[in-house]
Amino acid sequence: DAKTTQPTSMDCAEGRAANLPCNHSTISGNEYVYWYRQIHSQGPQYIIHGLKNNETNEMASLIITEDRKSSTLILPHATLRDTAVYYCIVRVRSNTGKLIFGQGTTLQVKP
Amino acid sequence: DAGVTQSPTHLIKTRGQQVTLRCSPISGHKSVSWYQQVLGQGPQFIFQYYEKEERGRGNFPDRFSARQFPNYSSELNVNALLLGDSALYLCASSSGFGGAGYETQYFGPGTRLLVL
Repeated sequence: DAKTTQPTSMDCAEGRAANLPCNHSTISGNEYVYWYRQIHSQGPQYIIHGLKNNETNEMASLIITEDRKSSTLILPHATLRDTAVYYCIVRVRSNTGKLIFGQGTTLQVKP
Repeated sequence: DAGVTQSPTHLIKTRGQQVTLRCSPISGHKSVSWYQQVLGQGPQFIFQYYEKEERGRGNFPDRFSARQFPNYSSELNVNALLLGDSALYLCASSSGFGGAGYETQYFGPGTRLLVL
C-alpha cells in the first residue's frame, strides 16, 4: 500500500484558508487519494477523494499534482470547528476496502 | 438519512471477559468494516464483511471475531479481554466492498471500550 507523509501539526487563523499537504510519492495510477478528519473522540468524517483531477465539494477542495506524487487539501475559510486531525490516505484497488491510517496532521484553528 | 450507528457508546469490562459490539450500516450499504483506534494513534483495520462474507482481516489475534447478518448489520466480538484492548472501536460502511478503490467508507461514532 502506498505510504503517505503529512506534517504532524499545523496552525491556521480563523477565517483564513487552511492548506494541508500530503506526500504520496509511491502512488500507483489506479490509487485514489482520500481525506478524512477526526474531531476529538468522534468517528472519522469523510471529506473528499480524487484520482487525478482536482475536486471540490461543500467542505473542501483537493488539489492533486500532475505527477500525483502529492496533494493538498484546502479548507477555504477555516473555523474553530475545523480543529481536528486530518488523515490523507491512498486507497489501493484490492480485494478489500481497508483504509490504512497514518498519524495524520493535527490542525489547530486559532481565533 | 441515518448514518452508521453503533452500540453501546461506552463500555467497561474487566480482563478475561468477553464483549460484543454492534453496528448498523447506512441503509443500502452492504459492506461493514471494523477498526480499532488506540489513544494517540490512527485507526487500524480489523475486519471487513461484504454480503455476509469476510473479505479482509487485519493483523489481530483470533480473540477478535465478527459476523454480518442478513440485514447487513454486524457484530464484533472480543474474547479474553486484555488491558491493551482498551480503545475506540469504529465501524464503517460502504456500498461496495471497495475493490475498485472509490467506494467511500462512512464511519460511525464508535464504541469506547475500557478494560480494567
